[in-house]
Parts: sequence; C-alpha cells; structure tokens
Amino acid sequence: QKEVEQNSGPLSVPEGAIASLNCTYSDRGSQSFFWYRQYSGKSPELIMFIYSNGDKEDGRFTAQLNKASQYVSLLIRDSQPSDSATYLCAVNIPRSYGQNFVFGPGTRLSVLP
Amino acid sequence: NAGVTQTPKFQVLKTGQSMTLQCAQDMNHNSMYWYRQDPGMGLRLIYYSASEGTTDKGEVPNGYNVSRLNKREFSLRLESAAPSQTSVYFCASSEERGMVVPYEQYFGPGTRLTVT
Repeated sequence: QKEVEQNSGPLSVPEGAIASLNCTYSDRGSQSFFWYRQYSGKSPELIMFIYSNGDKEDGRFTAQLNKASQYVSLLIRDSQPSDSATYLCAVNIPRSYGQNFVFGPGTRLSVLP
Repeated sequence: NAGVTQTPKFQVLKTGQSMTLQCAQDMNHNSMYWYRQDPGMGLRLIYYSASEGTTDKGEVPNGYNVSRLNKREFSLRLESAAPSQTSVYFCASSEERGMVVPYEQYFGPGTRLTVT
C-alpha cells in the first residue's frame, strides 16, 4: 500500500461547481497535511495546510481532515478555469532523522468553461 | 528575495556522463530537499538535509550524491547518468518550527533532465 494515495483523475467539473479532491494516507504518525497546486510545467505551490481534525477554510478553498479515517480532502468552491491544474496531497511524517514529506501522485483537475 | 533557485533549467546528457544540479535558497531555511517527479509517480524524495553538514537518504537515493555546501546551497550529483534518471528535479527548502507546528516547503522552478 502506498503511503499517500489520490485518484489520478482527470476530474472534470463545470465552471462554478464545487470540486472535491480526496487523499488517504497510511501512516498514523502523520502530523500535518498539505495541499499543493501544480500547473503544467511549473513547480508546486502551497494552497493550504491542516493539522487538526475538522475543516479549515481559506477563501474558496476548504481543507478537511479526519485522522480516524486517515483521510484529507480539498474542496474548491465556485471553480474557475484557472483552477485547472494537478493537486498534490502531501503528508508530513516524523522520522528518526527529522521530518519527511510524502507526496501523493496528484489529481488532475479540469474546470470546463 | 529570489526564494529557491535552481540551475540549469534544462539539460540533456548521454548515458554515463556526470553532472551536478545546483540549488540555493535565500530564506535562511535549515532544511533542504531534492525530489524527482515522473509522470504518475508524484514527487519522490531523493535526499534530504536537516541542516548544514548533514544529509540523509530519501526514498530513491540510488545513483545520486548530495552536498550541503553551506546553509544556502544544496547540490545533487549524478555520477554516471542512466536513462532511468530522465525526470524533472525539484529542490525545496523549509523552515523548522518543531514537531507539532506544520511548516511548508518552498520549491524551486525545477530542472528538466533527459538522459539519452
């Protein structure tokens, strides 16, 4: 089982709809969780992080964390064509040598005008 | 602030050639990372450096060496390039804030490497 899993997509939603991106992780020692957006040919950029169970909202984005189910999600409200990108889920797992970020394979989102 | 810079942006190597990818950050971060990204595989950690003078292997270290030259610079060396090392390489840095408070990574623009 991979440490961080995501549906590869593509996930297609119409403009103005809610896009829901999901991520599951296997290590119960995971402490913090990140969502990065990556446009084609560009480097990842951080959208949000969350480390407590529940919801965290930032503008059109909401991250949801459920540690019991080992599940983290990202909701994008009022989706725009500019949101079309690959979304990477990353999990911060403490290791004996320090911290380690483990990334999922990413979900490709396409917002259709 | 330039953030995280990487050189070169593109490189084509022949099998068996060697090269060094350079990375520098100006954010005074302690931790630096090298990742490779392949289609459908996400980002995979090659090497990690928690501070100047220390380095640790990540998930896919074989075929690579690293040097943490000082707090700013972290280089990745391919001693004998192989076609399997064709990938996009990203350097990243992060600030240490302790075990509980999360901290994010800042990525460089990437180096697109092709080994023929």
